[in-house]
Amino acid sequence: QSVLTQPPSVSGAPGQRVTISCTGSDSNTGAGYDVHWYQHLPGTAPKLLIYGNNRPSGVPDRFSGSKSGTSSSLAITGLQAEDEADYYCQSYDLSLSGYVFGSGTKVTVL
Amino acid sequence: QITLKESGPTLVKPTQTLTLTCTFSGFSLSTSGVGVGWIRQPPGKAVEWLAVIYWNDNKRYSPSLKSRLTITKDTSKNQVVLTMTNMDPVDSATYYCAHRRGQTDTGGAFDYWGQGTLVTVSS
Repeated sequence: QSVLTQPPSVSGAPGQRVTISCTGSDSNTGAGYDVHWYQHLPGTAPKLLIYGNNRPSGVPDRFSGSKSGTSSSLAITGLQAEDEADYYCQSYDLSLSGYVFGSGTKVTVL
Repeated sequence: QITLKESGPTLVKPTQTLTLTCTFSGFSLSTSGVGVGWIRQPPGKAVEWLAVIYWNDNKRYSPSLKSRLTITKDTSKNQVVLTMTNMDPVDSATYYCAHRRGQTDTGGAFDYWGQGTLVTVSS
């Protein structure tokens, strides 16, 4: 069972906005550690999508992240077919002294 | 340009020890703040963090696998090695190494990843 909880799946029509939640605890996201987001397409390595509240160079501004306390979310606006992938949140856990990933959310473009 | 590449056996037998090497370029593991981690993904399952080593030689391990893992670095060769003992079929997965972006030896994210290497555990 993952330390960070994500919904198994979300879906939306092209052009719509979808959000993926990531719920942590007082020992990770609630302890002040940033949440980061990855996009994982089949057969490829995960790609860092959001670093804290920032987008690495080359990531479209359709992707944005937010965090409040132990709750975080990734928003995708103007959903495109190429956004169909698995998305993971990640943080650092003070109690575990290590990195934690969410359970992953599959985004389906209808 | 940062690149990483994993190498090692594709097939190991149960109870054997797995040794994976991450060879990287574009950064130095002697630079303050730098880290290299290992992450795996079993088929059809979520990604799982395994271990990380930092520029100052501090190491962190997944608590559930700590007794089986060892991570080391060879700064002169730009390599990080992960060993996992007592392999089991449930350890079959794609293993990735990744550059850790951060400033201290906690926190941060993995911003550059290798292509991954599929390891199957079977007799």
